[in-house]
Amino acid sequence: SAVISQKPSRDICQRGTSLTIQCQVDSQVTMMFWYRQQPGQSLTLIATANQGSEATYESGFVIDKFPISRPNLTFSTLTVSNMSPEDSSIYLCSVGWGAGELFFGEGSRLTVL
Amino acid sequence: KQEVTQIPAALSVPEGENLVLNCSFTDSAIYNLQWFRQDPGKGLTSLLLIQSSQREQTSGRLNASLDKSSGRSTLYIAASQPGDSATYLCAAAALSKAAGNKLTFGGGTRVLVKP
Repeated sequence: SAVISQKPSRDICQRGTSLTIQCQVDSQVTMMFWYRQQPGQSLTLIATANQGSEATYESGFVIDKFPISRPNLTFSTLTVSNMSPEDSSIYLCSVGWGAGELFFGEGSRLTVL
Repeated sequence: KQEVTQIPAALSVPEGENLVLNCSFTDSAIYNLQWFRQDPGKGLTSLLLIQSSQREQTSGRLNASLDKSSGRSTLYIAASQPGDSATYLCAAAALSKAAGNKLTFGGGTRVLVKP
């Protein structure tokens, strides 16, 4: 397994601002993903964070709104840009090796006023 | 497009009863299926992973079965305890050549075990 640390664990932000969420893993991983969990909903995949290249976004998510970086095999960031109340969600980082089990961080709970 | 459904959405049982949680998926071409537990306001804890070639997987009081042909997986929790109260999520993995596993999640089953 892996120990996954996400920062911040929670934040309250103003409409129109941006927030960057960090995901740090205690070992090198091949796969890193970002998920969103809206209130009362299940998880939806935002994008796959690719090391050294642009992230691969799922339908309905775009780079301008959710820019992602992955400079190495243990770290990634997700930015939520120009936030609106609809962006209030839990954002979760997920990691794995190849096609095996995936592990999740504790999530970052974002509230946009 | 894969769709994953979990029924029931909520379940309440007295302590000691066995729990049966159902998960169905529309596309049988999955690479594996994973069961998670989520406590309120927390992240996900991986419970069991079943590879597509397996029929079941066991860990302690937990047993998960997989029937790809019918598009179903079932999580059994024996002798439930109040500490088992949580939301249980199943997720089907489609192998993407570019990115490895990508999970499609069900809506979850919220379980309450009453003392």
